[in-house]
Amino acid sequence: EPEVTQTPSHQVTQMGQEVILRCVPISNHLYFYWYRQILGQKVEFLVSFYNNEISEKSEIFDDQFSVERPDGSNFTLKIRSTKLEDSAMYFCASSVRTGTTGELFFGEGSRLTVL
Amino acid sequence: AQSVAQPEDQVNVAEGNPLTVKCTYSVSGNPYLFWYVQYPNRGLQFLLKYITGDNLVKGSYGFEAEFNKSQTSFHLKKPSALVSDSALYFCAVRGLGGTASKLTFGTGTRLQVTL
Repeated sequence: EPEVTQTPSHQVTQMGQEVILRCVPISNHLYFYWYRQILGQKVEFLVSFYNNEISEKSEIFDDQFSVERPDGSNFTLKIRSTKLEDSAMYFCASSVRTGTTGELFFGEGSRLTVL
Repeated sequence: AQSVAQPEDQVNVAEGNPLTVKCTYSVSGNPYLFWYVQYPNRGLQFLLKYITGDNLVKGSYGFEAEFNKSQTSFHLKKPSALVSDSALYFCAVRGLGGTASKLTFGTGTRLQVTL
């Protein structure tokens, strides 16, 4: 069964360092998302991406965050200068359908620990 | 703005008994509603969705959910709980946000099924 894959599964970094989280969405999917979850709590939307551009972003997704799809398969989230409060589980998701009816398929997540 | 409320942090049920996990929503226009399950240290797995049609939606692992427009609710149910159903359950709503509209999640309900 196709799945969304994420790397790394866990990354530890120092405050102020840049981090790149990578995702390979399901191959025929067209819509891509990043969410984060702090300490097993609420799942928060960060950004959605379609047709090589950001469709929507939350207030969390400030200038320190960026996304790109560099090669048609990978979908990356970059945090330029990490802060302690960026420590969370980051989930990538993808969806095949346009509009509002399609479910999102999530990866297993990348745990980011900022020291 | 769309939102979801899950009023119970935790639901405890004995194996073999029916279970209900509650969800209410707020959205402009027609609601598109989803349930996801998260097992420890795992990603979110899609269970079921309501788009239109029959108010009772059946999903994975014997779960079902009842859409009630007048009460703006979408409660998750299962006739007979299993210990293996113990997990974190998230209700989500998708609104009219355009092509790659986001899912907005509730705070989650932890289901504990005991022998």
